[in-house]
Amino acid sequence: EDQVTQSPEALRLQEGESSSLNCSYTVSGLRGLFWYRQDPGKGPEFLFTLYSAGEEKEKERLKATLTKKESFLHITAPKPEDSATYLCAGGGLTGGGNKLTFGTGTQLKVEL
Amino acid sequence: SQTIHQWPATLVQPVGSPLSLECTVEGTSNPNLYWYRQAAGRGLQLLFYSVGIGQISSEVPQNLSASRPQDRQFILSSKKLLLSDSGFYLCAWSPASGRASETQYFGPGTRLLVL
Repeated sequence: EDQVTQSPEALRLQEGESSSLNCSYTVSGLRGLFWYRQDPGKGPEFLFTLYSAGEEKEKERLKATLTKKESFLHITAPKPEDSATYLCAGGGLTGGGNKLTFGTGTQLKVEL
Repeated sequence: SQTIHQWPATLVQPVGSPLSLECTVEGTSNPNLYWYRQAAGRGLQLLFYSVGIGQISSEVPQNLSASRPQDRQFILSSKKLLLSDSGFYLCAWSPASGRASETQYFGPGTRLLVL
């Protein structure tokens, strides 16, 4: 069975204090590793897709990296507006559709 | 650009009542469509997905059903709601083919509370 595990469950940072979120996965036939940001009461907002080990993608203060077993979301000099829950998902392939297996997320709080 | 709509945004229903949640996508043709449920403290759980009109695949046995009457319309239904159906329901779409089809884009969600 496909599994995605995220750590830590919650993270509190001071503004400007860089850190990393971890996503470990076991997904058969992995076709992509996805990162989303979710604000309270809203749908997940797409951030990155990573397809192969060694790949990196960046967007503003965020950088996502991928190895054969895990992915990291690095947050450099975070600001309070980066506070959100960050979700990781592994994409497999089933019956013609694309199945995402989600982790339970890391709740990030950035304080002044 | 593509947009995805869900309604209603929130819904409070008594146990045993029927349910109909609607999702529509604009700005694309023949998308793959998905229904997820997000329970507090748990990851998103895929309920149904569809690769075309009238084509529905169910991921977990449950009290819910899905239909796709039009290319860009996806409906989640129940004949009799249970307390355990409470949660945050999310619709998502992805392009029909190619590597881009692996990335899913989510709607704003419907918060359902069954009392």
